Amino acid sequence: EAGVAQSPRYKIIEKRQSVAFWCNPISGHATLYWYQQILGQGPKLLIQFQNNGVVDDSQLPKDRFSAERLKGVDSTLKIQPAKLEDSAVYLCASSQETQYFGPGTRLLVL
Amino acid sequence: QKEVEQNSGPLSVPEGAIASLNCTYSDRGSQSFFWYRQYSGKSPELIMFIYSNGDKEDGRFTAQLNKASQYVSLLIRDSQPSDSATYLCAVHSGGGADGLTFGKGTHLIIQP
Repeated sequence: EAGVAQSPRYKIIEKRQSVAFWCNPISGHATLYWYQQILGQGPKLLIQFQNNGVVDDSQLPKDRFSAERLKGVDSTLKIQPAKLEDSAVYLCASSQETQYFGPGTRLLVL
Repeated sequence: QKEVEQNSGPLSVPEGAIASLNCTYSDRGSQSFFWYRQYSGKSPELIMFIYSNGDKEDGRFTAQLNKASQYVSLLIRDSQPSDSATYLCAVHSGGGADGLTFGKGTHLIIQP
């Protein structure tokens, strides 16, 4: 069974630029999550989708972050404009009962 | 604000000994508890989950849960150098929104 796929794996941008991350969950997993993991911290939930609907986005900084899962499978997370403090690893996870994480996208904002 | 607390370490344990990792949580309504292992530069990998008070064993790993004390632990028997990693405790509070709340993780070092 293929795992959660994410791209790109690394991204370097300058502050105020925009960036987008892509996630393809494990086949058949209806629930998809985006987490942000800052160096030295545990992952922090940004948004949870059930199929193509948002279940929880209470910790998503909506002034600059947006996410969508239009067809209930792939998802994209966008940051516009990026700030220095957005430098982190962005992890996508999917689940039926337990959550499995993708390899993450490492973002550096200069 | 739901919180999950872990000692960041590093926790240094000799090879072959038992490593004991601890975690406390603030939300009394929490229903399920997870331990993830994270190697440097890699994503978290699920080791164990536990829902009920008591112990749950899986190979060299034992998870312990005490809901009255809001305490979760992970024991690793016969520790190996390959067990050296950061161990993340995560809590799910139940309901439809089941995103996990993670602690900061404990950095475990197994000394050969």
